Amino acid sequence: GENVEQHPSTLSVQEGDSAVIKCTYSDSASNYFPWYKQELGKRPQLIIDIRSNVGEKKDQRIAVTLNKTAKHFSLHITETQPEDSAVYFCAASILGGNEKLTFGTGTRLTIIP
Amino acid sequence: GAVVSQHPSRVICKSGTSVKIECRSLDFQATTMFWYRQFPKQSLMLMATSNEGSKATYEQGVEKDKFLINHASLTLSTLTVTSAHPEDSSFYICSASKAFTGELFFGEGSRLTVL
Repeated sequence: GENVEQHPSTLSVQEGDSAVIKCTYSDSASNYFPWYKQELGKRPQLIIDIRSNVGEKKDQRIAVTLNKTAKHFSLHITETQPEDSAVYFCAASILGGNEKLTFGTGTRLTIIP
Repeated sequence: GAVVSQHPSRVICKSGTSVKIECRSLDFQATTMFWYRQFPKQSLMLMATSNEGSKATYEQGVEKDKFLINHASLTLSTLTVTSAHPEDSSFYICSASKAFTGELFFGEGSRLTVL
């Protein structure tokens, strides 16, 4: 089955600086890669996703890049703000297949004011 | 956007009792729902995939007789934790897959505490 690894497990960044979180996946059939933000005790919230037919996607301060050959994808947050502090999870699945998401281990991002 | 409602949000029960958690897709039909368990400071671990009208598919290591899943309609799936024990205390989250988009919509989660 799919295995998703995520690094780093914790990340502290000065407010205004950029944060980068990286994930690798094992199943070359995976074609959908969402990123979720989870605040304590709450449900995961989708913040951005990318499909395997594109290499990069951007939404305001958030961007995701995908390297299918290397089987890794990254989340980039620019101009970080205190409200960006949360746990972030990457995930991978096969659209059109069983569609079950395999999550990474999570990154606790702390923005230092 | 699509809404998935999960109930109850918090439940405390005594060891040995059973607890039922409901997951409803409010404004779309979900042929597939997923149940996850999340321990403190850990990731979401898939427990089972629930398909309407058929038996759930459990992940390796998940006891199907302990975690009963029923997906009776296109908008409702239930998870019953039978004979709960303190080690079953966790945050249980459901999600529903919207047809053709692949996007998952999560319920609010249910925090189970077994005394």
